[in-house]
Amino acid sequence: EPEVTQTPSHQVTQMGQEVILRCVPISNHLYFYWYRQILGQKVEFLVSFYNNEISEKSEIFDDQFSVERPDGSNFTLKIRSTKLEDSAMYFCASSEGPTEQYFGPGTRLTVT
Amino acid sequence: GQNIDQPTEMTATEGAIVQINCTYQTSGFNGLFWYQQHAGEAPTFLSYNVLDGLEEKGRFSSFLSRSKGYSYLLLKELQMKDSASYLCAVPGDDYKLSFGAGTTVTVRA
Repeated sequence: EPEVTQTPSHQVTQMGQEVILRCVPISNHLYFYWYRQILGQKVEFLVSFYNNEISEKSEIFDDQFSVERPDGSNFTLKIRSTKLEDSAMYFCASSEGPTEQYFGPGTRLTVT
Repeated sequence: GQNIDQPTEMTATEGAIVQINCTYQTSGFNGLFWYQQHAGEAPTFLSYNVLDGLEEKGRFSSFLSRSKGYSYLLLKELQMKDSASYLCAVPGDDYKLSFGAGTTVTVRA
């Protein structure tokens, strides 16, 4: 069964450093998303991506964040200068359309 | 905006039935999803309701009333592996999901 994959599973970085989180969505899906979940809190939407451009972004997704689809399979989230409060689980998801979204296993980001 | 409410915790006995309620207030309506999330793992899709009524899928059923802004997830014949957080989510116009805080279900032997 096709699945969304994410790398790395765990990333530890120092405050102020740049991180790139990688995702491979399900191959025939057209819509891609990033969500995050701070420990003990709810899953929060960050950004959605369709047709090679951002379709919507949340207030959390400020200038420190960017997304890219560098080739036909990868979808990346970059945080330019990490802050302590960026520590969270980051989930990539994809969908064919207005249907269920399939989530990857997540990347646990720890900023020290 | 979206406002989604669900209970924080529920406890039930193995083999029993549990009903998790969700109320929502949305600017538009594009259906309602239920996801299961085990601790430290990703949400996994359980059900999607867009029309009023009950959708049954094995041990899990989901109900929707659009006029009341209300849904529930029914878990039957509870098993220990059903101990997890259950997330109610509504999609916006561009399909982004707004999640409730989740209901942690603990199944006891």
